[in-house]
Amino acid sequence: NAGVTQTPKFRILKIGQSMTLQCTQDMNHNYMYWYRQDPGMGLKLIYYSVGAGITDKGEVPNGYNVSRSTTEDFPLRLELAAPSQTSVYFCASSRLGSPADTIYFGEGSWLTVV
Amino acid sequence: GQQVMQIPQYQHVQEGEDFTTYCNSSTTLSNIQWYKQRPGGHPVFLIQLVKSGEVKKQKRLTFQFGEAKKNSSLHITATQTTDVGTYFCAGRESGTYKYIFGTGTRLKVLA
Repeated sequence: NAGVTQTPKFRILKIGQSMTLQCTQDMNHNYMYWYRQDPGMGLKLIYYSVGAGITDKGEVPNGYNVSRSTTEDFPLRLELAAPSQTSVYFCASSRLGSPADTIYFGEGSWLTVV
Repeated sequence: GQQVMQIPQYQHVQEGEDFTTYCNSSTTLSNIQWYKQRPGGHPVFLIQLVKSGEVKKQKRLTFQFGEAKKNSSLHITATQTTDVGTYFCAGRESGTYKYIFGTGTRLKVLA
């Protein structure tokens, strides 16, 4: 199984540009998450989804948008990129109670805004 | 909102010494999970604790969940260089579906 796949792995954006980070999982998980991790820091939850068509804000949602049209895909949209959005972005998925709510992470997307 | 803090932020130990990191949540948790992230890598699931006062062991790692389900700890006995990385706890607040990660403890093991 591929698990959680994120693209692109690296990207440099100019201030004000927009982009979408793609995320797909092939484990039929109902829960999906986007986290960001600033250098040397912990993971902050941006958005999460409990199933297709259902999304909710996490700790740091401002400047981002998500959609969940299918079980497999959970893209993260950055509108009007700002230097404060320079970070590593992790997409993750899980199926609660199976037997543990193990969260599987993608390998990360390194984003720099200049 | 829910906050999860970990102490210490950094820990340097000599190989063979023990290591402990503590996790504290501002709210009661449904469960607590622990993850390990190697430098440049992504977090990898270690274990989940669900019951109040629960203790689980994985070889040299011992995990505890507090009686009030608001704190947890990870203890590593006789550290090895392969234990290097950042250890995160993650808690799911009762009644929600989102996991909030702790601030992490970065462990460095000196050979």
